[in-house]
Amino acid sequence: GAVVSQHPSRVICKSGTSVKIECRSLDFQATTMFWYRQFPKQSLMLMATSNEGSKATYEQGVEKDKFLINHASLTLSTLTVTSAHPEDSSFYICSAKTGGWNEQFFGPGTRLTVL
Amino acid sequence: DAKTTQPNSMESNEEEPVHLPCNHSTISGTDYIHWYRQLPSQGPEYVIHGLTSNVNNRMASLAIAEDRKSSTLILHRATLRDAAVYYCILMEYGNKLVFGAGTILRVKS
Repeated sequence: GAVVSQHPSRVICKSGTSVKIECRSLDFQATTMFWYRQFPKQSLMLMATSNEGSKATYEQGVEKDKFLINHASLTLSTLTVTSAHPEDSSFYICSAKTGGWNEQFFGPGTRLTVL
Repeated sequence: DAKTTQPNSMESNEEEPVHLPCNHSTISGTDYIHWYRQLPSQGPEYVIHGLTSNVNNRMASLAIAEDRKSSTLILHRATLRDAAVYYCILMEYGNKLVFGAGTILRVKS
């Protein structure tokens, strides 16, 4: 149980375009979802926390107008990277938890390459 | 969030136990000790967590010092599939995870 999926697993786009990444909890209802970014050989960096039906809470230094997060249902959250640039190329990972749990369950990640 | 200190890397032989240490001298009474691991090019995987008492699950054991200022993740028989980065994280209940650098575990056959 506690499976989280992400789609797509890899995406390559041109500079200036927008990319949407989906995160789904497959066998539980995710009241809270988190989005992380990971650059090569670095640790995960939390970008934002989203609760179902509420606006996301962004970490300091993360542009909310550039990284749009929607958590419209208990099983789906989306991250849209708007006007992507090469410096946005990274490994984006989501995680999900439900209210009574202490642990988070992570998706497999999405590798974004912006040309 | 309270900080943790882990060795940069460790090496183990296959089929032998592995003890991964973590120091957290500034832990507060409400901080849970979490362990996650990340295999190359994958999202992290939950391993185990605890508050005060030692914990066991199918993946590992977590030994927590009496003063809670340190803990050890124990893999009872390392396999090549256990080679990963292991993260020790302190987290208040229901709060967010803040990842540090972790320990790179290498397993030799």
